[in-house]
Amino acid sequence: EAGVVQSPRYKIIEKKQPVAFWCNPISGHNTLYWYLQNLGQGPELLIRYENEEAVDDSQLPKDRFSAERLKGVDSTLKIQPAELGDSAVYLCASSPGLGGEQYFGPGTRLTVT
Amino acid sequence: QKEVEQNSGPLSVPEGAIASLNCTYSDRGSQSFFWYRQYSGKSPELIMSIYSNGDKEDGRFTAQLNKASQYVSLLIRDSQPSDSATYLCAVPNAGNNRKLIWGLGTSLAVNP
Repeated sequence: EAGVVQSPRYKIIEKKQPVAFWCNPISGHNTLYWYLQNLGQGPELLIRYENEEAVDDSQLPKDRFSAERLKGVDSTLKIQPAELGDSAVYLCASSPGLGGEQYFGPGTRLTVT
Repeated sequence: QKEVEQNSGPLSVPEGAIASLNCTYSDRGSQSFFWYRQYSGKSPELIMSIYSNGDKEDGRFTAQLNKASQYVSLLIRDSQPSDSATYLCAVPNAGNNRKLIWGLGTSLAVNP
């Protein structure tokens, strides 16, 4: 079974530029998560989707971050414009939604200069 | 504020020893508990899940759950240098098991 796929793996951009991350969850997993992780910290939830519906986006900075999950499968997370403080690893995870376990993709390491 | 707490470490053990990692949680209604391993520069990997009081063993790993005392632990027997990583404890929000509350992780170093 293929795992969660994310791209790109690394991204370096200048501040004020836009950036987008893509995620393809494990087949059949209806729940998809986007997290942000800083060094030495646990993952911080940005948004959770149940199928195509965003059911928990309370931690998403909506002035600059947006996300979509069209057709309830792939998802895209966008930042526009990026700020220096957005440098972090962006993780996508998916879950079959039964027991709560989540499976992570490899992450995208974003560096904003 | 629902919390999951772990000692940040680093926890250093010699090769072949037992490493003991602990996690406490505040939400008494939590029903499932997860341990993730995260190597430096990699994403978290689910290594153990436990749902009921007592012990659950999987190879060299044993998860122990005590709901009355609100702690869950992970024991690694015969520790290997390849076990050196950060171990994250995650507990679903009791009101919504699809939202995990994460600890900050314990850094483990296994010395040859």
